Amino acid sequence: DAGVTQSPTHLIKTRGQQVTLRCSPKSGHDTVSWYQQALGQGPQFIFQYYEEEERQRGNFPDRFSGHQFPNYSSELNVNALLLGDSALYLCASSSGLGELFFGEGSRLTVL
Amino acid sequence: ILNVEQSPQSLHVQEGDSTNFTCSFPSSNFYALHWYRWETAKSPEALFVMTLNGDEKKKGRISATLNTKEGYSYLYIKGSQPEDSATYLCAFDSGGGADGLTFGKGTHLIIQP
Repeated sequence: DAGVTQSPTHLIKTRGQQVTLRCSPKSGHDTVSWYQQALGQGPQFIFQYYEEEERQRGNFPDRFSGHQFPNYSSELNVNALLLGDSALYLCASSSGLGELFFGEGSRLTVL
Repeated sequence: ILNVEQSPQSLHVQEGDSTNFTCSFPSSNFYALHWYRWETAKSPEALFVMTLNGDEKKKGRISATLNTKEGYSYLYIKGSQPEDSATYLCAFDSGGGADGLTFGKGTHLIIQP
């Protein structure tokens, strides 16, 4: 049973560019959440997708957007990248309430 | 803005010793408290999801307690082993998951042989 998979694992972008990160949830999970972990901080909630809709959003600007597909996989898009967007981006899946299952993350470096 | 604090920030423990660390969180709008273990180069792994005041959960040598009235949870590790070296994160859930979890910065635990 494959767990949560994320791609790419590492990427480097320059300021102003756009990036797309991808996530496949654990089999049987219909809910996907995205978190940003900046250096020295705990993971911060970006948004959550359920039934292809954004259900809830944390305190992130509109440059951060997402999508969920009918197979429950998800994408996180960040436009107009800033240096401060450099972080580890974690995807987590769940089925309803309870524990989250995380991927290993996508490490984004913005130069 | 919800505030979840973990202490200590880092901890060095001798192999075989027992240890504990703390997570403090808001005592209002409580739904659940999560504990995750995050080993280097791996993904965070759920240890416990706790919902009831006074609850105590155990998994092998690791256990956790919960006090929702005063807003704290303790994680205990008995007889530490090198494989316990990891960052331990707690996360506060105020809305049944739909509002996202608010994480602390974690306690970085290093077990010294």
